[in-house]
Amino acid sequence: EVSLVESGGGLVQPGGSLRLSCAASGFTFSDYWMAWVRQAPGKGLEWVAHIKPDGSQILYVDSVKGRFTVSRDNAKSSQYLQMDRLRADDTAVYYCARVRSGPLFDYWGQGTLVTASS
Amino acid sequence: ESVLTQSPGTLSLSPGERATLSCRASLSVRSSLAWYQQRPGQAPRLLIYGASNRATGITDRFSGSGSGTDFTLTISRLEAEDSAVYYCQQYGTSPLTFGGGTMVEIK
Repeated sequence: EVSLVESGGGLVQPGGSLRLSCAASGFTFSDYWMAWVRQAPGKGLEWVAHIKPDGSQILYVDSVKGRFTVSRDNAKSSQYLQMDRLRADDTAVYYCARVRSGPLFDYWGQGTLVTASS
Repeated sequence: ESVLTQSPGTLSLSPGERATLSCRASLSVRSSLAWYQQRPGQAPRLLIYGASNRATGITDRFSGSGSGTDFTLTISRLEAEDSAVYYCQQYGTSPLTFGGGTMVEIK
């Protein structure tokens, strides 16, 4: 059974940094693109980024380019989202998702809440 | 960027009725459209991909149609568990975008 478990969320001041992790199991992690999708409180879904199986290609939404960095460790079946220079409008639940060809998202974690506030 | 507009914002129907949800794209996305269900307090779940293909394990009460710029998700014989927000997502153009969602309430 596919499982995605996010961790690392919390409260951070604007301008600060946070690193999210996503631990995957139940499938061959190194075969799949992986993604981050976020949802601001009471709002809709927003694609943030996705990363190729070997990590050689990463795509970001414009609003996070230069501030967020996605990486992965296939040996640990994990992906990461390093978030720097956080802004109040980055406040959201961040979901880890497995990508199927499209790209679209066929499995999701339960999400981790990031709050950027003073 | 292809902006997705979903309508109506909220749909309130009785069990057994049919729900028809619309998703309109500002730019053609061919058949590169997916639908997701998000129940309260839960993560989204993939329902439909390629505009009309049901994802693994999805009941045939859910069906999708359309291509280009106009898409429809139909939920037949509504059940209480269908109470959720439904999002469309296009993957035909960059960047990937989601619609604003349609909330389906079961009376």
